[in-house]
Amino acid sequence: DAGVIQSPRHEVTEMGQEVTLRCKPISGHDYLFWYRQTMMRGLELLIYFNNNVPIDDSGMPEDRFSAKMPNASFSTLKIQPSEPRDSAVYFCASSLSAGGLGTQYFGPGTRLTVT
Amino acid sequence: AQKVTQAQTEISVVEKEDVTLDCVYETRDTTYYLFWYKQPPSGELVFLIRRNSFDEQNEISGRYSWNFQKSTSSFNFTITASQVVDSAVYFCALSSPVGSTLGRLYFGRGTQLTVWP
Repeated sequence: DAGVIQSPRHEVTEMGQEVTLRCKPISGHDYLFWYRQTMMRGLELLIYFNNNVPIDDSGMPEDRFSAKMPNASFSTLKIQPSEPRDSAVYFCASSLSAGGLGTQYFGPGTRLTVT
Repeated sequence: AQKVTQAQTEISVVEKEDVTLDCVYETRDTTYYLFWYKQPPSGELVFLIRRNSFDEQNEISGRYSWNFQKSTSSFNFTITASQVVDSAVYFCALSSPVGSTLGRLYFGRGTQLTVWP
């Protein structure tokens, strides 16, 4: 079975540009999570969806970040405009349920560099 | 508030040594779940184990074993006869199935394990 798929794997962009990260969850999973990993802050939950509906976006750092899940098999995380401090690895994860009842499986991550 | 502490930032061992990674957690919930994930140098996060708060039995999977002690709020991870391929960052995480924190995985800062040949 295919795991969580993320694209691109690496993204280098200039400050001020729009960046779109993509995620395809494991088929049948109805929870999708976006995380950010940095040396300074470790792994942070940005937002998560249940059945395509955003449930908790309190981790989204600011209005420059937005996430959508138009259907059960696709989600995007957009940063507009990007800034150098957004440089990080962004992970998408999916699970059958939330709160520990379902194990979260992670994608390979997108390494974003903003210059 | 949910919190996970991995006090060991880095550990280095020589191959075949046993090594224990410590994890201490804080929660006010009576029901919760604990996890360990492995992040090898390639960067992906690999799920290793999930335990619920009502199951304090230790678990063994090959060279891996986990010791869950509610009395000390700890969920430690031991690798027996370590191998170079075990070199990775290991994360402990906590999740609650209820309340306002539903869905969130609270991660520790991770322990970088280096196994030397």
